[in-house]
Amino acid sequence: AQKITQTQPGMFVQEKEAVTLDCTYDTSDPSYGLFWYKQPSSGEMIFLIYQGSYDQQNATEGRYSLNFQKARKSANLVISASQLGDSAMYFCAMREGLGSGGSNYKLTFGKGTLLTVNP
Amino acid sequence: GAGVSQSPSNKVTEKGKDVELRCDPISGHTALYWYRQRLGQGLEFLIYFQGNSAPDKSGLPSDRFSAERTGESVSTLTIQRTQQEDSAVYLCASSSLYNSPLHFGNGTRLTVT
Repeated sequence: AQKITQTQPGMFVQEKEAVTLDCTYDTSDPSYGLFWYKQPSSGEMIFLIYQGSYDQQNATEGRYSLNFQKARKSANLVISASQLGDSAMYFCAMREGLGSGGSNYKLTFGKGTLLTVNP
Repeated sequence: GAGVSQSPSNKVTEKGKDVELRCDPISGHTALYWYRQRLGQGLEFLIYFQGNSAPDKSGLPSDRFSAERTGESVSTLTIQRTQQEDSAVYLCASSSLYNSPLHFGNGTRLTVT
């Protein structure tokens, strides 16, 4: 089974509107972290936002917020007031085993969502 | 501080040749990761190093792939007898704490002809 599922291969949004990019995850570990990355056409991977499984509040970073619904195992990224520069691939990722005392903290990525912001 | 540095940025090689890709992580980052990204695809985990622990090699696709890391510094990813399906961007990333984001290099674009 896939650990990270991003069901939207592509999304379109009008400039200045908000958009939600979906991410669901699968883990039996009670301690984990969720990350979102942006990859513009230049190819660089840009970290956007982080949510820990025990965090009480939804994470926010500027125009980015994470709609964390633990019971549903979803961690959707919300981008408010979209800008043309937001056009990019967006990847959701998960790191498990944070509370196990172990040392394996690899990040598993979803397949990504291509966001296009229209003027 | 400099970010994660990867070299070469581009590599074209003939099928059957060996290639070596290099990654210089951010100083002080104990964790180092290699990922592969085929054109238009997501990131495929290859291998992970954490301090002096045994590396997690579970993502290496075949025994033609190997990687080493010297202490908490440079890592090299070696692909022997390259095949055309090895063509991809190879991304290296490093991080410090378990809840810290990965910092990625700009990748090495490998083309096998």
